[in-house]
Amino acid sequence: EAEVAQSPRYKITEKSQAVAFWCDPISGHATLYWYRQILGQGPELLVQFQDESVVDDSQLPKDRFSAERLKGVDSTLKIQPAELGDSAMYLCASSLSKGTQYFGPGTRLLVL
Amino acid sequence: RKEVEQDPGPFNVPEGATVAFNCTYSNSASQSFFWYRQDCRKEPKLLMSVYSSGNEDGRFTAQLNRASQYISLLIRDSKLSDSATYLCVVNPTTDSWGKLQFGAGTQVVVTP
Repeated sequence: EAEVAQSPRYKITEKSQAVAFWCDPISGHATLYWYRQILGQGPELLVQFQDESVVDDSQLPKDRFSAERLKGVDSTLKIQPAELGDSAMYLCASSLSKGTQYFGPGTRLLVL
Repeated sequence: RKEVEQDPGPFNVPEGATVAFNCTYSNSASQSFFWYRQDCRKEPKLLMSVYSSGNEDGRFTAQLNRASQYISLLIRDSKLSDSATYLCVVNPTTDSWGKLQFGAGTQVVVTP
């Protein structure tokens, strides 16, 4: 069964450092999503791509977060500089256009 | 007020018993509804979609009440493996390009 791949699975960093997360969606899935899930809450959409284009980044803190999907396949989410409040699970999901979203295993970030 | 609200639980359920819980949503124009399951420290996985007429998948039954703006999930003959957090997910409109709104989840603990 095809899966969404994410790396790293865990990341510990100090505040003010830069971090980057990588996501490889299910082959053929044109739509890719990055979510942030804080402990005890549901996932919150940060950014959505349709192929290489950003469809929605209204909830992305653009002063410190950036995301790209240059070739319309894999994607990178970057935080610079990281803050204590960024500690969370970062989930990537993919779908066929508006179809069911399939999630990757996530990257658990701890900012010290 | 949150757009999707759930009772966080936990619902402690003896093995073999039935458990049911609801989720309310604020946007009356919401078009599609889902239940996702999330195990501790894992990614969300689609459990089932929720259809207007209600639907069943094995031991799981989902219902939609548009008039009162809630959806429900019922689990019959609970298994230990049903222990998880159940996320209520709403797609607010058909134009939202799949921008899902997640509840914070309802925790279910099935005990021997």
